[in-house]
Amino acid sequence: DAKTTQPNSMESNEEEPVHLPCNHSTISGTDYIHWYRQLPSQGPEYVIHGLTSNVNNRMASLAIAEDRKSSTLILHRATLRDAAVYYCILRGLRDDKIIFGKGTRLHILP
Amino acid sequence: DGGITQSPKYLFRKEGQNVTLSCEQNLNHDAMYWYRQDPGQGLRLIYYSQIVNDFQKGDIAEGYSVSREKKESFPLTVTSAQKNPTAFYLCASIPQGHMNTGELFFGEGSRLTVL
Repeated sequence: DAKTTQPNSMESNEEEPVHLPCNHSTISGTDYIHWYRQLPSQGPEYVIHGLTSNVNNRMASLAIAEDRKSSTLILHRATLRDAAVYYCILRGLRDDKIIFGKGTRLHILP
Repeated sequence: DGGITQSPKYLFRKEGQNVTLSCEQNLNHDAMYWYRQDPGQGLRLIYYSQIVNDFQKGDIAEGYSVSREKKESFPLTVTSAQKNPTAFYLCASIPQGHMNTGELFFGEGSRLTVL
């Protein structure tokens, strides 16, 4: 079973920030938090990952709670191209199995 | 350019036939994965392989088989024993030794329809 919990779907207006939450209450100290997104009829693509500190890259920001039991993917200014399914997954040092949950389907309203 | 190539992109099969989906990568990655995705659902792990000549069952391995004779290739066979094989199949790879930090690279997928 997936070790993360995400809302099934979210809506946001174009050009506004989007905050996608993820709960991972059973996270261990060496688990990294990864985010992927999947556009329609394509394979998922990497977005960002982090361990403890907040992370920024050209696609998004990742805010990690101090207790690491939750995290939030932040899209600073949503565009229609950001409409996708976003997956939050945990990756441990010895995790051969990489398990995805159902993700959050993000709808962007023009 | 380096990447993962899945073929065919679309495949139709009659009930009772086996079909093999190809996955080839030129990224020199050690670990490879097969996932199944049904409409509106997330990805479910079928099989994975960390090294040549070795592979493990994922969460939904029944009715599927794989081989890993070469590092760059990880074909998936959907057998007639798979009760509901119509789905979108995704192959992915990652370098060994980066299981917690490395980026998982995906192919573009193969869409199998059983008639």
